[in-house]
Parts: sequence; structure tokens; C-alpha cells
Amino acid sequence: GENVEQHPSTLSVQEGDSAVIKCTYSDSASNYFPWYKQELGKGPQLIIDIRSNVGEKKDQRIAVTLNKTAKHFSLHITETQPEDSAVYFCAASNSGGGADGLTFGKGTHLIIQP
Amino acid sequence: DTAVSQTPKYLVTQMGNDKSIKCEQNLGHDTMYWYKQDSKKFLKIMFSYNNKELIINETVPNRFSPKSPDKAHLNLHINSLELGDSAVYFCASSHGSRNEQFFGPGTRLTVL
Repeated sequence: GENVEQHPSTLSVQEGDSAVIKCTYSDSASNYFPWYKQELGKGPQLIIDIRSNVGEKKDQRIAVTLNKTAKHFSLHITETQPEDSAVYFCAASNSGGGADGLTFGKGTHLIIQP
Repeated sequence: DTAVSQTPKYLVTQMGNDKSIKCEQNLGHDTMYWYKQDSKKFLKIMFSYNNKELIINETVPNRFSPKSPDKAHLNLHINSLELGDSAVYFCASSHGSRNEQFFGPGTRLTVL
């Protein structure tokens, strides 16, 4: 089955700086890679995703890159703000049809220092 | 509000009891899921279900069973609760072959 590794487990950055979180996956059949943000006491919220036919996707201060050959993908957050503090999860799945669940990384606790 | 909702938000119970967690989505999705988040925040798929198939993660004990009365609901039944079942359980849904999954607020289960 799929295995997703995520690094770092904790990331502390100064407000206004950039943050990068990296993930690797093992199953070459995986073709969908979402990122979720989880705030304390809440459910994971989808913030951005990328499919395997695209190398990069950007949405305002958030971007995701995908390297299919190396089987890794990264989340980039620029101009970080205090409200970006949360736990971020990467995930992977195979959208080949059917009811496929997501395989998650172990999460990154992002701390934005004022 | 269009969303995925779960009840109850908190559930405290004794070992050996049987309990259920309810999930409803009004997003018009046809696929629903249950995930377990342990004390280290690790999220793991338990079940995926649509009107065609039920996919069960092989590591889930058969004390856990999903039941779907209709496309908008996927409830989680747990028999003979054990201490190790304590966790936060999240319901999620998605539409057809699109993978975007939307999560509910979670149910924190504590087994004493």
C-alpha cells in the first residue's frame, strides 16, 4: 500500500518569512496530492491540491510543487501570518475510481513567531 | 450551512460498551469515509463507502462497522469498546471520482 513521509514534524518561522513542508510517497500509481490544514479542535480543511498531470499549482500565498519522478511534493507558504499557525498534513491517493481513501503523512506543526 | 456534520462532538464511555457516531453531509456527495486520528495526530483511513462498494482498511477490527441508511449518512458503530479505541474520529465525503474530501469537525471518543 501507499506510504507517505512528511518532514519536518515541527517548523517554526518568523512572521513574514516563508515556510516549506516536504512529503514523499511510495506508490507510483498515486495521482492526487492534497494538503490539509488542521486547527486545534477542528477537522482537517483542504487548502490546496495537485494532480499528477501538473507540476505546480499556486493559490495566493500557497503553492504546491510535484516531482513525479522523485515521488515528492512540497507545500510553500509565503509571507506567513499568525493565522497560518496550525498542523499541516500532506496526503496521497489513486483516483482510479471507486471509494479511495487518503493516505496521510504524520503532519507538520507550523508555528509562526510574531 | 453546507457541510459535513458529526454527532456527538464528545463521547465518554466505559470499556465493553457499544456506541455509535453519526455523520451527515449535505454536499450532494456520493462517497463517504471514516478516519481515525490518534493521540499523535496521525490520520488513518478506516472505511470508504459509496453505493457500489465498501472498502475496509484491513487493520480495522471487526468491532467497527459502518452503516449507511442513505447517500447522505454514514454512521460508525463500535462494539465492545476498548481503551485503545480512544481517539478522534472524522467523517469525510467526496463527489464521484473527484478526490477532494471534505471533513467533519470530529468526534472525540474517550473509553474509560
